[in-house]
Amino acid sequence: AQKVTQAQTEISVVEKEDVTLDCVYETRDTTYYLFWYKQPPSGELVFLIRRNSFDEQNEISGRYSWNFQKSTSSFNFTITASQVVDSAVYFCALSATVSGGYNKLIFGAGTRLAVHP
Amino acid sequence: DAGVIQSPRHEVTEMGQEVTLRCKPISGHNSLFWYRQTMMRGLELLIYFNNNVPIDDSGMPEDRFSAKMPNASFSTLKIQPSEPRDSAVYFCASSLPTSGSREEQYFGPGTRLTVT
Repeated sequence: AQKVTQAQTEISVVEKEDVTLDCVYETRDTTYYLFWYKQPPSGELVFLIRRNSFDEQNEISGRYSWNFQKSTSSFNFTITASQVVDSAVYFCALSATVSGGYNKLIFGAGTRLAVHP
Repeated sequence: DAGVIQSPRHEVTEMGQEVTLRCKPISGHNSLFWYRQTMMRGLELLIYFNNNVPIDDSGMPEDRFSAKMPNASFSTLKIQPSEPRDSAVYFCASSLPTSGSREEQYFGPGTRLTVT
């Protein structure tokens, strides 16, 4: 199966707390790509990061960091010192091979993050 | 550079009417995707074009839905006749020309469709 699971439906934190959003995936591909997108209340989907399956190095971008672990099929996203502007729905996605031999983005259900002042 | 452009941003129509959603991808991107987002079903891929050719339309709900990409800078998604269950946000996305969804997709602002 090609699947993305974001078990946390909603998370609520107080500003300045660190928060980790979990993403677990299933794929039969040996080469695949993982993504995170942010959907703020305004509704647009904003690309945050792409990671390929051969690169397990963690990545940090400002207050954002990503932890990719092939052994546990996880690609978790941590926001350090959260801010109110981080309030959004966050989607994890997997680029998976589907019938016909091409790739398709499979999205998780999303995690709604609310950061309170 | 301009991002993906969608119009209209909001559309309210009555059941049975024809609805046309429009998309202009990012210049130089030749993969284009139409998605639908609802609370119940989340983000669903409706159709995927590569070099203006539909590659996968298995996500198109039924014959009432059709999509075209007459050139590299324009695509339409049409619903005829529309039904209340078509109410959703429809996103268009584009990406660079590699194999399907390997590259990051850039999304437009979406069209919020309400069918009464």
